[in-house]
Amino acid sequence: EVQLVESGGGLVKPGGSLRLSCATSGFTFSSYTISWVRQAPGRGLEWVSYISSGSDYVSYSDSVKGRFTISRDNSKKSSFLQMDSLRVEDTAVYFCARDAIPAVGATNPSDYWGQGTLVTVSS
Amino acid sequence: YVLTQPPSVSVAPGTTASITCGGKNIGSKAVHWYQQKTGQAPVLVMYDDSDRPSGIPERFSGSNSGNTATLTISRVEAGDEADYYCQVWDSSSDHRIFGGGTKVTVL
Repeated sequence: EVQLVESGGGLVKPGGSLRLSCATSGFTFSSYTISWVRQAPGRGLEWVSYISSGSDYVSYSDSVKGRFTISRDNSKKSSFLQMDSLRVEDTAVYFCARDAIPAVGATNPSDYWGQGTLVTVSS
Repeated sequence: YVLTQPPSVSVAPGTTASITCGGKNIGSKAVHWYQQKTGQAPVLVMYDDSDRPSGIPERFSGSNSGNTATLTISRVEAGDEADYYCQVWDSSSDHRIFGGGTKVTVL
């Protein structure tokens, strides 16, 4: 069974940092692109970043570029999102998701998602 | 690149719901659709415009042409009540883009 489990969320002050983790099981992690998507309270989905299977390709939304860093450790079947210089507007549930196709392709949909971890940025 | 969805659609059980996703020349892009029920993670219900993942009922169908992509739910059931999001990849920015979402209410 394919599973993705996020962790690392919590309450942090503006300007602070958090590192989110996405632990996976049930599939060949090293073959799939992983994305991070967030959802602010009562709002829609917002794509944050993705990283290709071999870490060759990464991309970030304009709202987080320069502040967030995506990474992965294929030996640990995990992806990470390092979030620095956090702002109040970064408050959201953060989901990690797996691409549906085990090949590099920015157009791929995401077929499996974790349940999300809540990040609250507040003073 | 901006994707525009109606904020809400209301339908009676047994009828058809059409959810649109507007974008400049979206017909040239691969559109994916996600269903999200309250408090849950999104679920992929349509990919590459009109392909259904395994386990998604045939009542769900999709189309994409010109400046509008459409997710159609036939014979709507109470369990279809959810938020629906379209998504594409924008080649000019290398960003994956979501539409603002449409809340489907079953009357």
